[in-house]
Amino acid sequence: AQSVAQPEDQVNVAEGNPLTVKCTYSVSGNPYLFWYVQYPNRGLQFLLKYITGDNLVKGSYGFEAEFNKSQTSFHLKKPSALVSDSALYFCAVRDAPKGYSSASKIIFGSGTRLSIRP
Amino acid sequence: KAGVTQTPRYLIKTRGQQVTLSCSPISGHRSVSWYQQTPGQGLQFLFEYFSETQRNKGNFPGRFSGRQFSNSRSEMNVSTLELGDSALYLCASSFEGAVAFINEQFFGPGTRLTVL
Repeated sequence: AQSVAQPEDQVNVAEGNPLTVKCTYSVSGNPYLFWYVQYPNRGLQFLLKYITGDNLVKGSYGFEAEFNKSQTSFHLKKPSALVSDSALYFCAVRDAPKGYSSASKIIFGSGTRLSIRP
Repeated sequence: KAGVTQTPRYLIKTRGQQVTLSCSPISGHRSVSWYQQTPGQGLQFLFEYFSETQRNKGNFPGRFSGRQFSNSRSEMNVSTLELGDSALYLCASSFEGAVAFINEQFFGPGTRLTVL
C-alpha cells in the first residue's frame, strides 16, 4: 500500500535562511511525487512534481525538491526563505499504474506548516 | 482558462440532513477528485471520477457518494449528516493525455460544510 509521511508538523525558519520540508514515501512501484502549498482559506496549489529523470526538480516560487530513491525521500527546499512562503505544505505520492485501465490513489501527507519569521 | 469552481462556498446543515456539493473542472480536464480536509485528519481522499466512471475510492462510509456528468462536472452527496462531517471539501481536476496519472491536480477553493 502507498503511504507518505511528513515527519514535522511545523518548521520555523528566519527570512533569508534556507528551508527544508521533509517527505518520505512508500510505494510498490515507481512513484509519482508532488508538492502542493495551501495558503489560508484557499485550495491547494501545485508547486512541483517528480515523474522520472533528473533527481532535482525545480518548481514555482523558487522551490525545488530532491528525489532520493534509496532513502525514499522527496524533500522540498528553497535556498532563501521569504515571509510570503509561510503556508501549509503537502507532499503527495501516486503509484505508477500497471495499465491504462488500472488506477492508483493519490495519497497526501499530513502537511507541514512553514513559518518564516522576518 | 477559468479555474476549478465549487459551489456553494459555505454551507450550514443540521445532523440527519443531506447535502450536495458541486464542482466544475477546468475545461478539458476529465479527471475529478474529491477530498475532505479537517484539522485532525488532514487531507483525506474521497473518490476520483474519470469519464463519468468512479475510478478510485477512499475509505469513507457509503453515506458519501458522487457522480460525474458527461461535461465532466461532478457532484458529491453526503446523506444523513453527522457532526464529524464538518470539514472543508476540496475538488481537484487534472488533464490526462497519453500517459495517465502524471499530471498535477488543480484544486478549487473548497466548500466549507458545518454540521450543527
